[in-house]
Amino acid sequence: NAGVTQTPKFRVLKTGQSMTLLCAQDMNHEYMYWYRQDPGMGLRLIHYSVGEGTTAKGEVPDGYNVSRLKKQNFLLGLESAAPSQTSVYFCASSYRETQYFGPGTRLLVL
Amino acid sequence: GQQLNQSPQSMFIQEGEDVSMNCTSSSIFNTWLWYKQDPGEGPVLLIALYKAGELTSNGRLTAQFGITRKDSFLNISASIPSDVGIYFCAGPPPGTYKYIFGTGTRLKVLA
Repeated sequence: NAGVTQTPKFRVLKTGQSMTLLCAQDMNHEYMYWYRQDPGMGLRLIHYSVGEGTTAKGEVPDGYNVSRLKKQNFLLGLESAAPSQTSVYFCASSYRETQYFGPGTRLLVL
Repeated sequence: GQQLNQSPQSMFIQEGEDVSMNCTSSSIFNTWLWYKQDPGEGPVLLIALYKAGELTSNGRLTAQFGITRKDSFLNISASIPSDVGIYFCAGPPPGTYKYIFGTGTRLKVLA
């Protein structure tokens, strides 16, 4: 099993560009999450999903959209990137309270 | 919003020493989770606590769910160099799936 994978690993964007981060899990988990981690800080929840076709806002949802069309995939979109969105993005899936995290996507917005 | 405060923020210790860290909240939690994050990787779950007063061990790690349900503690015994990393507490506020993470305790072990 690959666990939780994230694509891409690293990306540089210019302000105003758009992109989609892909998260995939092969553990058949119902719950999936997107977090961002800024230097010296903990993880902050952006959006989450409790099942295929459902999404909900987390702590810092502004500027991001998500979709969960398939149970195994959770997509995070930035429609118009801003420098404040420079961060490391982590995806996670969970069985009960145990979250399994992906390796992260480093995003730099210039 | 809710916050989880961790202390200390960072610590240097000698190999072989015991380590203690804690996490506090202004409101109660029904579940406390402790994660470790190595550089360049995602967090990995170390211990999960589900009941006030619960004491759970995972090898050299021991965590406790505070009686007030507003705090939790993590101890590492006989630290080794591979214990280096950032330790996070986390939990979902009761009735939600919105996990909150603490700001982390950065541990550095001197050989």
